[in-house]
Amino acid sequence: AQSVTQPDIHITVSEGASLELRCNYSYGATPYLFWYVQSPGQGLQLLLKYFSGDTLVQGIKGFEAEFKRSQSSFNLRKPSVHWSDAAEYFCAVGSMDSNYQLIWGAGTKLIIKP
Amino acid sequence: NAGVMQNPRHLVRRRGQEARLRCSPMKGHSHVYWYRQLPEEGLKFMVYLQKENIIDESGMPKERFSAEFPKEGPSILRIQQVVRGDSAAYFCASSGTSGVGGTQYFGPGTRLTVL
Repeated sequence: AQSVTQPDIHITVSEGASLELRCNYSYGATPYLFWYVQSPGQGLQLLLKYFSGDTLVQGIKGFEAEFKRSQSSFNLRKPSVHWSDAAEYFCAVGSMDSNYQLIWGAGTKLIIKP
Repeated sequence: NAGVMQNPRHLVRRRGQEARLRCSPMKGHSHVYWYRQLPEEGLKFMVYLQKENIIDESGMPKERFSAEFPKEGPSILRIQQVVRGDSAAYFCASSGTSGVGGTQYFGPGTRLTVL
């Protein structure tokens, strides 16, 4: 079955520290991968996406993610977090076969310690 | 250029009432998607519409739920005879092109509470 797993429900990091949010997927077709961020009470904003090519993709707000096919992972990273990064982060996967349907992870809530 | 707009932002209904959720896509977008988000869960696809057409409603519950995207006006997600289990955040997204390559832009959501 197709699925997306975000193993960490909550992550707490200190401001200025580095961040890595994990995302693993199980998907039959060649995956298209996405990271979205949701601030409290807001909609979702696309951070970055991977379709093909360079497996390290750069996104907005200083985020990047690396696609590792052998590990079925698409982890999100940021070298130095800011208090404004506190939000919930969602990983999603789709494919040309699914056309438009995205399968979503349950999200990881990022808490920033001052 | 205004983003995706949803209203109302919060909606409270009693069991058995009807809920109508509206979504105005971004200007120039003709593809609309509805998702439901239950507490502590990710989004679940409900329905995909283009103007005047339902393309895929495979994620919609078989009863009480319907969606439309008329030629003029916003897309509407309608829930009849609401039950407590319908309490959730409902998000609308729009895109300018079809396919997973068309980035979906999300609205702020409507939070439905059923008493």
